[in-house]
Amino acid sequence: DAGVTQSPTHLIKTRGQQVTLRCSPKSGHDTVSWYQQALGQGPQFIFQYYEEEERQRGNFPDRFSGHQFPNYSSELNVNALLLGDSALYLCASSPSRASTTYGYTFGSGTRLTVV
Amino acid sequence: AQSVSQHNHHVILSEAASLELGCNYSYGGTVNLFWYVQYPGQHLQLLLKYFSGDPLVKGIKGFEAEFIKSKFSFNLRKPSVQWSDTAEYFCAVTPTDSWGKLQFGAGTQVVVTP
Repeated sequence: DAGVTQSPTHLIKTRGQQVTLRCSPKSGHDTVSWYQQALGQGPQFIFQYYEEEERQRGNFPDRFSGHQFPNYSSELNVNALLLGDSALYLCASSPSRASTTYGYTFGSGTRLTVV
Repeated sequence: AQSVSQHNHHVILSEAASLELGCNYSYGGTVNLFWYVQYPGQHLQLLLKYFSGDPLVKGIKGFEAEFIKSKFSFNLRKPSVQWSDTAEYFCAVTPTDSWGKLQFGAGTQVVVTP
């Protein structure tokens, strides 16, 4: 059990569509980060949410947006999907007070395929 | 720009052999260092982490890693591997002032044959 829950596990979308991925952090964690892992590559940081605000952002276009809810769960939204957005999307959570000294807990991911 | 380099993309070895995976990072400031493992069909799991103090850190399942600051390296080792160590291994770095933005290497696929 990862402790971090992501849904759905798999998703197929058509180019140009929009998609929403969801994440529930591990109990006791209030900080959520999202990563994109393309096939054969390491995860790439998309952004991080804490106290319902985006705190840090990686090198991803504005088509990628997110939200964090009062219960600390989070959504990742991707608009105008491209074939290159096909990847495994990972959510990671951490307890904010120890974020800089804590090993983040990852979910199992959502496999997005854009056709 | 910050970067993480893992030396090998694929490693194949026999059970009981020793394993060493290289990781080098490029960053001018102080960093926290991690090794994660991803077993087939499972989520990323933390093997070990280094924040400060003794540069030789021990993790789960008999793994250890050594931080050599002068070489910007954080190599992972295991004296004797088992078939169950077959997995993909990722080195990751975050600046101490970056509050959680992990930079991952490309990963090393390790296959242990019986």
